[in-house]
Amino acid sequence: GAVVSQHPSRVICKSGTSVKIECRSLDFQATTMFWYRQFPKQSLMLMATSNEGSKATYEQGVEKDKFLINHASLTLSTLTVTSAHPEDSSFYICSASGGHWNTIYFGEGSWLTVV
Amino acid sequence: DAKTTQPTSMDCAEGRAANLPCNHSTISGNEYVYWYRQIHSQGPQYIIHGLKNNETNEMASLIITEDRKSSTLILPHATLRDTAVYYCIALSNNQGGKLIFGQGTELSVKP
Repeated sequence: GAVVSQHPSRVICKSGTSVKIECRSLDFQATTMFWYRQFPKQSLMLMATSNEGSKATYEQGVEKDKFLINHASLTLSTLTVTSAHPEDSSFYICSASGGHWNTIYFGEGSWLTVV
Repeated sequence: DAKTTQPTSMDCAEGRAANLPCNHSTISGNEYVYWYRQIHSQGPQYIIHGLKNNETNEMASLIITEDRKSSTLILPHATLRDTAVYYCIALSNNQGGKLIFGQGTELSVKP
C-alpha cells in the first residue's frame, strides 16, 4: 500500500485563489520531503526541499512567495499555490525520505487545474 | 550528482525480458544508482537501487558494470502493465533523498 499520500488528487480552482496540497508519510517519520511539478510530456522538476521545523529550500527559478511550503510535523508537508494562474496548472508530486533514506517514496500526485 | 544518459524510448514484446540501459560515466564512489518508473498520471514508483553489486528484488534486477559507469535494469518477463517511463538516477548518501530526474526511457511493452 501507499506509504506517502497526497491530497487532493485533483483540484480545480479559480484564477487568483490559493490552493493547498498535502503530503503525508503514512508509516514513517519524514524529516525531509520534496516537492516536484510535472507538465505534460515532461519529466519531474524539483521545486523545493522541505525540512521539518525549518524553512524550505527552493530551487533556482521557483518563487518562494508563490509556492508556500510548510513542514510542521514529521508526517506532513503542505504546498500552497498562492494567487494561482492558469500557467500554474500542473501535476504536483511529493516525495519523502525518513530513517531509511535509501528508499525514497513518492505520493500519488495532485492534478491542479486553474480556470 | 552524476548525470545519467538513457535512450529516449524502447519497445519490448510481452513476456520477454526488457533490458533498459543507463550510462553514468561520471558517477562518484558514494553515489548509488536508483531506478524509478512512472506510469501515466501517477507518482513515480521505486523499483530498485544499488551501489556496486548486482541487485535483485521481486520487480527487477539491476546489473552494474565493474567500473560503475553504466548499469542495466532488467524486467525478466515484461507485461503490458510495465509500460511506463523508467528513470535512472545517481544519488549520493549526503543528498538526503533529493532525486533529480532526467528524461528517462519510455518503455512500450507490446502484445
